[in-house]
Amino acid sequence: GESVGLHLPTLSVQEGDNSIINCAYSNSASDYFIWYKQESGKGPQFIIDIRSNMDKRQGQRVTVLLNKTVKHLSLQIAATQPGDSAVYFCAENAGNMLTFGGGTRLMVKP
Amino acid sequence: EAGVVQSPRYKIIEKKQPVAFWCNPISGHNTLYWYLQNLGQGPELLIRYENEEAVDDSQLPKDRFSAERLKGVDSTLKIQPAELGDSAVYLCASSRGGGSEQFFGPGTRLTVL
Repeated sequence: GESVGLHLPTLSVQEGDNSIINCAYSNSASDYFIWYKQESGKGPQFIIDIRSNMDKRQGQRVTVLLNKTVKHLSLQIAATQPGDSAVYFCAENAGNMLTFGGGTRLMVKP
Repeated sequence: EAGVVQSPRYKIIEKKQPVAFWCNPISGHNTLYWYLQNLGQGPELLIRYENEEAVDDSQLPKDRFSAERLKGVDSTLKIQPAELGDSAVYLCASSRGGGSEQFFGPGTRLTVL
């Protein structure tokens, strides 16, 4: 069936380095993609989104790239900080329904 | 602005017992969602409300799960009877409308013994 998934379950980076979290999706009908950050004991928190008619969107320290040809989504975090440690989920929206991937844990080493 | 409020934050019950979770969405948000999140996995939609109407409940196990949003604001999710496999985090989210950004509450962590 259609699914959203992540390549790496855990990513460990040095503080100050850039982080890249990847996600593959399979539902070509999805028109909107979102990255969420979830810290322990909290609900998912919106980070950044991108519509399917775009291939790049930048926020504060974060950039989302969308490659519709290979159905790939990535989240880039610049100058990763300890506060970025969390689980990151990509999600796709189709027909007002959000489908989440399995999550990647980002660990930031001091 | 207050966020989505959920209670209780934690609940431990024995199997076959009933349990209920409560959610108060962000003021003015017409759309309310209940999600189930298993450990290490992304949230999975159980039910979506537009005001007081359940518009998508296809993933809700209706033999034991029920939900209501009587006045189109607060919502309650109930499980009766609970099973061991129901142990998970139950998340509530709200948005201004379907397709708008969803804001999540902290969730209720349910442990069924």
